[in-house]
Amino acid sequence: AQSVAQPEDQVNVAEGNPLTVKCTYSVSGNPYLFWYVQYPNRGLQFLLKYITGDNLVKGSYGFEAEFNKSQTSFHLKKPSALVSDSALYFCAVRDSYSGAGSYQLTFGKGTKLSVIP
Amino acid sequence: DGGITQSPKYLFRKEGQNVTLSCEQNLNHDAMYWYRQDPGQGLRLIYYSQIVNDFQKGDIAEGYSVSREKKESFPLTVTSAQKNPTAFYLCASSIPVLNQPQHFGDGTRLSIL
Repeated sequence: AQSVAQPEDQVNVAEGNPLTVKCTYSVSGNPYLFWYVQYPNRGLQFLLKYITGDNLVKGSYGFEAEFNKSQTSFHLKKPSALVSDSALYFCAVRDSYSGAGSYQLTFGKGTKLSVIP
Repeated sequence: DGGITQSPKYLFRKEGQNVTLSCEQNLNHDAMYWYRQDPGQGLRLIYYSQIVNDFQKGDIAEGYSVSREKKESFPLTVTSAQKNPTAFYLCASSIPVLNQPQHFGDGTRLSIL
């Protein structure tokens, strides 16, 4: 079974400061990990993914994420936060041991990021 | 531009009424999904389809039904059996490969009159 946890419901950060949104996961096989962002009354937009290889993954809008296998984590980061980064962020996981033909993603409950001017 | 179109954006349901939410994609994706989003609960999978004329129940399928007669279309019906239908409904699609992300429409917000 696959699961994902986002331990913080809300993260507040000052504009220009670095931001981190935390995500931990649990899978039986190898993880495929994804980050999405959601603005109010909109769908989810894909930011980045980890499949294999380099533990630091770079994505859209200056975001990056660090995969840590020993800590089963995949934290989202950005060196300098913008007010426009304020949104809801979702981490999602897919297990390489998913049932035959199953491509379901399991999503965390989301973290609301507020960037304060 | 390719994408996923959900309609309507806002929908109101009366007691005892069935309503249908539309989802159309022109990404040529085989797999399509319906999620329900409630505040603080993340996304919960209602139904998914990996190929035309086939679909599977997700975690919260009770009170919902779907069809997949065309590759591009995956409509969701919220039946009168769904006692708490007020939510934000999201449709997604993907290439059915493990390392591919899902792509989302902009959602339909369903409310009870």
